Amino acid sequence: DTEVTQTPKHLVMGMTNKKSLKCEQHMGHRAMYWYKQKAKKPPELMFVYSYEKLSINESVPSRFSPECPNSSLLNLHLHALQPEDSALYLCASSQDGLAGAWGTDTQYFGPGTRLTVL
Amino acid sequence: AQSVTQLDSQVPVFEEAPVELRCNYSSSVSVYLFWYVQYPNQGLQLLLKYLSGSTLVKGINGFEAEFNKSQTSFHLRKPSVHISDTAEYFCAVSIYNTDKLIFGTGTRLQVFP
Repeated sequence: DTEVTQTPKHLVMGMTNKKSLKCEQHMGHRAMYWYKQKAKKPPELMFVYSYEKLSINESVPSRFSPECPNSSLLNLHLHALQPEDSALYLCASSQDGLAGAWGTDTQYFGPGTRLTVL
Repeated sequence: AQSVTQLDSQVPVFEEAPVELRCNYSSSVSVYLFWYVQYPNQGLQLLLKYLSGSTLVKGINGFEAEFNKSQTSFHLRKPSVHISDTAEYFCAVSIYNTDKLIFGTGTRLQVFP
């Protein structure tokens, strides 16, 4: 089973709302990733968790707050977002993380959450 | 700095015709190369990857790619495309000993009947 699940599929929120995105994998992977993808653009890396510790934060604004409660679960907490934050948010996981596998690891992506900020 | 260039933003092709999607990279250190496909309203799926060994890599759905170190290229090919191959294709490189995957800007493959 190489499935990464993401909930919800779609989310509409106002600029004062607080919401969370959830990502789950049961492949025993120890690295998990959040990406943001705008229309007709490639995914942009936001955060990487390796062995449940935050290893990369790509200078993401603090209105995005990641959390990794356990090795199977990754959350992205959203607060006071702006309309320009509307995008597809993709979660991915890999066996050991690219660094742990010397760059050879394969990332498995979820279907994404389509976020609209009004 | 490492970078990935996909020169063609769109490639229109008729069904059953061959196709090549081009990818060039630049890096001063060892890289590993990947092709991902994204169907409409879906996440990314790995098509194939080159780590080492044979420069011709075969992937899923009849796709293959050839690593050319002298030309720093990793072009994706399929001898006969189907309507169902219509999607966005991303070339990506991972850098030795980092957690980052660097994506190209993508190529939209549009297959017409």
